[in-house]
Amino acid sequence: GQQVMQIPQYQHVQEGEDFTTYCNSSTTLSNIQWYKQRPGGHPVFLIQLVKSGEVKKQKRLTFQFGEAKKNSSLHITATQTTDVGTYFCAGPSAGGTSYGKLTFGQGTILTVHP
Amino acid sequence: GAVVSQHPSWVICKSGTSVKIECRSLDFQATTMFWYRQFPKQSLMLMATSNEGSKATYEQGVEKDKFLINHASLTLSTLTVTSAHPEDSSFYICSARGRGHSYNEQFFGPGTRLTVL
Repeated sequence: GQQVMQIPQYQHVQEGEDFTTYCNSSTTLSNIQWYKQRPGGHPVFLIQLVKSGEVKKQKRLTFQFGEAKKNSSLHITATQTTDVGTYFCAGPSAGGTSYGKLTFGQGTILTVHP
Repeated sequence: GAVVSQHPSWVICKSGTSVKIECRSLDFQATTMFWYRQFPKQSLMLMATSNEGSKATYEQGVEKDKFLINHASLTLSTLTVTSAHPEDSSFYICSARGRGHSYNEQFFGPGTRLTVL
């Protein structure tokens, strides 16, 4: 079945350092979404990428969708303690597009040391 | 806009009892609602998808008789964990997608933490 893999599973950084998480799908995706879940909280939608090679920025966050639409990355420049949380990528589940089902990656847990 | 609420936010129950969790879209009509469970430090695992007015579609390995889902209106879906056991303890999160928003965008509720003693 469809798999969405994310690496690394954990990332510890010093405040001010950069952070990147990578997402790879076993199938070509029509779009990819990124979510952030703060400790004890629920996932919050960050962004959706649709086009091959697309790059979008949100302040210190840069999202990229691969040319083959099977991989994506999220890069945070100069991390802050407010960036702490788990970052998930998610893509439409194979065969599930009629209902908008998503398959989530395992997530990358980011901790930031002040 | 696009707020989803869940009730209760946490619940502790005895083994063998049933627990009902409500998921409401507060400011939009949710044509589809999704129920996930999440174990500590793990990803979200989709349990079922429900469309208003029709039976829920369960993911492989999820017992439909144990996790009863009802999507009675465009703003409410309920998940009932029947005869709960300690292994059912988890974080249950609903999400909704609906009219007026991107087809693929899901809005998540705050989650319900279930502890079965």
